[in-house]
Amino acid sequence: DAEITQSPRHKITETGRQVTLACHQTWNHNNMFWYRQDLGHGLRLIHYSYGVQDTNKGEVSDGYSVSRSNTEDLPLTLESAASSQTSVYFCASRPGQGTGELFFGEGSRLTVL
Amino acid sequence: AQSVAQPEDQVNVAEGNPLTVKCTYSVSGNPYLFWYVQYPNRGLQFLLKYITGDNLVKGSYGFEAEFNKSQTSFHLKKPSALVSDSALYFCAVRVVRTDKLIFGTGTRLQVFP
Repeated sequence: DAEITQSPRHKITETGRQVTLACHQTWNHNNMFWYRQDLGHGLRLIHYSYGVQDTNKGEVSDGYSVSRSNTEDLPLTLESAASSQTSVYFCASRPGQGTGELFFGEGSRLTVL
Repeated sequence: AQSVAQPEDQVNVAEGNPLTVKCTYSVSGNPYLFWYVQYPNRGLQFLLKYITGDNLVKGSYGFEAEFNKSQTSFHLKKPSALVSDSALYFCAVRVVRTDKLIFGTGTRLQVFP
């Protein structure tokens, strides 16, 4: 079955380190998204991509970057991790633009000490 | 600004009773509205969506939602709650012209036996 997978599921790192969270989907979806989930804030959009070589900033993009070199993967990089980036991160995908629903991964819990 | 609000952090209901989880929105133009459910330590799962047409939308697991344009609401409902419905529920609205989803802060539904 097609799916969307995130790795690692849990990670503990130190302030200042670079961290990359992987997201891989096998549906061949064009649209991919990264959200972070925090208590009291719901889900907030970090970055998104509508296709290969396309990336866009969301509402909370500072300190994060993404790259899209193929259809299947959208890795999220924290260039220099900060304690404020301790969160649960969700990757999602969708076939194309429009009214279709998002399909979410299981999440990656990141703790920055 | 486009936004969605979920006024209740938690909703408690007895098994077998009807349930309602509230959502109001603010968008420019016609709204595209969604409900998602999140079970513990899992990603979000799509429940239902309103794009156009009938104001009563039916979705997965016996849930339905009523679109009310005059009250700018999209409340989630179920005639008879199950203990297994206990989860975190998110309302989301599509942002016009950007094709992004904005999520509410979530409502925790607790169904008691």
